[in-house]
Amino acid sequence: EAQVTQNPRYLITVTGKKLTVTCSQNMNHEYMSWYRQDPGLGLRQIYYSMNVEVTDKGDVPEGYKVSRKEKRNFPLILESPSPNQTSLYFCASTLQGANSPLHFGNGTRLTVT
Amino acid sequence: SQQGEEDPQALSIQEGENATMNCSYKTSINNLQWYRQNSGRGLVHLILIRSNEREKHSGRLRVTLDTSKKSSSLLITASRAADTASYFCAPGGNNRLAFGKGNQVVVIP
Repeated sequence: EAQVTQNPRYLITVTGKKLTVTCSQNMNHEYMSWYRQDPGLGLRQIYYSMNVEVTDKGDVPEGYKVSRKEKRNFPLILESPSPNQTSLYFCASTLQGANSPLHFGNGTRLTVT
Repeated sequence: SQQGEEDPQALSIQEGENATMNCSYKTSINNLQWYRQNSGRGLVHLILIRSNEREKHSGRLRVTLDTSKKSSSLLITASRAADTASYFCAPGGNNRLAFGKGNQVVVIP
């Protein structure tokens, strides 16, 4: 089954404790992206990747890191999480960047205390 | 900005009625996409309309695009309770899709 898999689904952590949210797709998509969703603010793009070893900042990249060492994986790294990073995070992938439909994962709800 | 802005932000209708949502944006685009989200789950793609298209249909969905006015509309005909969800428009261009804040639609059985 074609899908985007994010893990974990829920995560509660404390300020400053490094964490990684994994994202994997099995559709051989070149383009992958991370979004965060907050009430009243909609979805905002954090980082995106056009292909392996190619990543670019989105609208809200501060406090986040990503890597794209393999085509299928695009982990989101929070080196020192802060409470303002409490949010619902979505990974998505697509074949042709903004010119084809995005496939979304089921989301990761992160709480930083 | 490239971000889409949906209008109205909330809509409540009776089952069987039509639901219309509008989206405006500010920059030039290659395409515009509409997505649906159920209760905090991942967004699901509904329809993509390219910048050289004016109208597109998919089942009970009808999307229009007016690039001169930088606006799009999504019409859901004969709505069902299962159509209750948030709907997002996403103008596409410069290798990015920028989502709006969403439009909450409630279909009352």
